[in-house]
Order: sequence, then structure tokens, then C-alpha cells
Amino acid sequence: DTEVTQTPKHLVMGMTNKKSLKCEQHMGHRAMYWYKQKAKKPPELMFVYSYEKLSINESVPSRFSPECPNSSLLNLHLHALQPEDSALYLCASSHIGQGNSPLHFGNGTRLTVT
Amino acid sequence: DQQVKQNSPSLSVQEGRISILNCDYTNSMFDYFLWYKKYPAEGPTFLISISSIKDKNEDGRFTVFLNKSAKHLSLHIVPSQPGDSAVYFCAASLIQGAQKLVFGQGTRLTINP
Repeated sequence: DTEVTQTPKHLVMGMTNKKSLKCEQHMGHRAMYWYKQKAKKPPELMFVYSYEKLSINESVPSRFSPECPNSSLLNLHLHALQPEDSALYLCASSHIGQGNSPLHFGNGTRLTVT
Repeated sequence: DQQVKQNSPSLSVQEGRISILNCDYTNSMFDYFLWYKKYPAEGPTFLISISSIKDKNEDGRFTVFLNKSAKHLSLHIVPSQPGDSAVYFCAASLIQGAQKLVFGQGTRLTINP
């Protein structure tokens, strides 16, 4: 069982839809992350939140909009996506500034854009 | 430019023998290295990590070795078990507040009975 919970597990959406991915952790971590993983590729960093503030945006298109309402929750709002955005979206969390503090990942949301 | 490289896309090992997965990196500023295991339809699961001030870290059947001069790390699994069959990702980061983790391409490990 993962300590980072992501919902939904699967999502199919059209290119004009608006949807949101949700992530929750209760490990007291103050850094939260969104990664994108395409088939047979490694996870690629999208966004990092530190203490509920956006600290890293890896030049992600504005059709992806992250939100961190509190220290336990992370959302990714999706609007006007393209078929090439279909991928596994992974949320992760970690402590900040501590040595030997690995990222803990959720099981991801499998997104299909039609 | 790929900063973390796993040059073997796949590896097949007999059950009970040692599995050795390799990883090279180019950025000498990386100070924290990790190995993750991934099953299909699941997120990466943290296995073991090592700080750049160490050259070895052991946890049960898993040992990670770091050679900073060669910019190389390896994961040893002994003895290998069928449940170890998965994709293994090497990752590296800089510990500056939140981490910007960079992943290698992954190695698919298959343990044969």
C-alpha cells in the first residue's frame, strides 16, 4: 500500500473537457511533486511545491494548472489537453532539506485524452 | 542531455543468483542517489538510497555502491527472487530544499526460476 493516494486511478477526457487530478499524503511531508510518465520512459518532473508554494515549474504548458490547497493535498487541473498528453501522472511527496529523504510516489492516474 | 543513464534496458538473472544493475551520471553536483522499483500500473517504490559522502549502503538483500570518481553507482540484489522482477530506475538529485529528482531510463529485471 502506498502512503500517497491519487484519485482517480483512470481518467478519459475529451480535448474540451476540464478535469482535476487529486493527491493526498499524511506523512507530514512539506514538498509535493507532479511527474508525468509516458510508456517505456522514465518519470519526468512537472511541478514542485515547497511549503505549499510553487517552487519549480519545468516549463509545463498552461493547460496544466497545479494547486496546493494545504500541506496534505495537491491538485492538477487539466483543461484543453491534447492526445499527446495521455500518460501516467504521478504525485510524490518528501521532507524538505533532510538528507536521505526519498520521494514517496502514489500509484498514479492513467490519463487518456481523446 | 541525459544526466542519469542506465545503459542496459533489460537484464535476466537466475533465481538465487546476484543481480547487478548499473547507472552512470554526468553531473558531479548530485549529492543524493536512489533506486526505485516499478511494477506495471503502480507508482515507483523506493528501494534504497545513498548519500554522496558514502560509498556503500546496505538494506537486507539490497546494496548500493557509489563510485564518485567514476560517476557510477550500482545496485546489487542477492539472492534474487522471482518477486524482484520489475523495472528498476536509478535517480539522482541535489539536496537543496525540495528535490529535483532526475531518473535514468530504467532497466527491466527478469528473475528466472
